[in-house]
Amino acid sequence: TQLLEQSPQFLSIQEGENLTVYCNSSSVFSSLQWYRQEPGEGPVLLVTVVTGGEVKKLKRLTFQFGDARKDSSLHITAAQPGDTGLYLCAGAGSSNTGKLIFGQGTTLQVKP
Amino acid sequence: EPEVTQTPSHQVTQMGQEVILRCVPISNHLYFYWYRQILGQKVEFLVSFYNNEISEKSEIFDDQFSVERPDGSNFTLKIRSTKLEDSAMYFCASSELFFSGAEAFFGQGTRLTVV
Repeated sequence: TQLLEQSPQFLSIQEGENLTVYCNSSSVFSSLQWYRQEPGEGPVLLVTVVTGGEVKKLKRLTFQFGDARKDSSLHITAAQPGDTGLYLCAGAGSSNTGKLIFGQGTTLQVKP
Repeated sequence: EPEVTQTPSHQVTQMGQEVILRCVPISNHLYFYWYRQILGQKVEFLVSFYNNEISEKSEIFDDQFSVERPDGSNFTLKIRSTKLEDSAMYFCASSELFFSGAEAFFGQGTRLTVV
């Protein structure tokens, strides 16, 4: 069974601080997606990483896929209150049917 | 920007009743999915659907559940006889492709409350 573990589960920081969220597994994933979810709404796709070692940047957000494609990280530089939300990682399942396996999420609170 | 739309946004039903949750995927997408999220828990895969067939289903997706693409635009999830534990947010998603790197786009969800 493929599982994704996110850490930390909850993070509360001050505006301007940097942070990193981790997504780890013992399984290899063919790709990994990061989503952000607001309360009562659906996940919104931020980025997809496919190649081991790949780094993608989205403004102040930097996403990295591990060399072995078993882990990923999301780094936010100079966090702002607008970054507050639930961040989810999701890996493409090995069955190749488009199924995504989600981590349990990291709740980020950025205080002004 | 194209988006996945779901109706209704909130459905309250009595235990044992049938419910149909509706989704309109993004128009050029070929792969469709249902996920659910029980309050405070992970988003869980239910089923994937392609070419009018289920391509994969999870253990959660038992005989009480069914999916259908009744026309060229809608994708539905039916729960035949709802149980209290079916209360959750149900998300529809679609993707243009299914292979590695294919991006899935989610609807805003239907909150199902079984009483």
